[in-house]
Amino acid sequence: GAGVSQTPSNKVTEKGKYVELRCDPISGHTALYWYRQSLGQGPEFLIYFQGTGAADDSGLPNDRFFAVRPEGSVSTLKIQRTERGDSAVYLCASSPKAGAGETQYFGPGTRLLVL
Amino acid sequence: KNEVEQSPQNLTAQEGEFITINCSYSVGISALHWLQQHPGGGIVSLFMLSSGKKKHGRLIATINIQEKHSSLHITASHPRDSAVYICAVSTLKSSGDKLTFGTGTRLAVRP
Repeated sequence: GAGVSQTPSNKVTEKGKYVELRCDPISGHTALYWYRQSLGQGPEFLIYFQGTGAADDSGLPNDRFFAVRPEGSVSTLKIQRTERGDSAVYLCASSPKAGAGETQYFGPGTRLLVL
Repeated sequence: KNEVEQSPQNLTAQEGEFITINCSYSVGISALHWLQQHPGGGIVSLFMLSSGKKKHGRLIATINIQEKHSSLHITASHPRDSAVYICAVSTLKSSGDKLTFGTGTRLAVRP
């Protein structure tokens, strides 16, 4: 079956603009995670959803970042007033349910460049 | 100090060599994951373990909970094994299964 997909694969924007990044998880997976990976670093947690609700958003760096998952499937990560420091690869992962011991399946990522 | 530390950061090997990548962590965990990331960003889960040892093909992962240490071994390495290998943990204090990652080990296997 289809894996996790993310669109766009690349996004170039100007400082101050608004961007939306989309994640389409594996069908039936209730848990969805967003991570951010800066160049040369390991990924860092941003937010995770169990169903439609954000169960933990403690990794969002500030209030310019927001994510939704209105129907419990596709999720959108929204970044307002982008800054150059937001440039990174944004990774999405899903798992059948949240909890220790679940394998996470990663999407290919969206590479965001803020000029 | 990062909660998850990996060594070495970079590793170059000749085809056929036995490779070991180490991961140490400083927090209580419910599970440890080994992930593989190829150029271009795609991440694949290799192992998830909370005790003992797991083997899949030429890859072996071990964990020592008391010492808070895990190793990933690659036997008979091949150029196609060239990738970044990332250790990640699910901490006991975290909700769900959000992962805390190491910075990765970049492996290059030369023919």
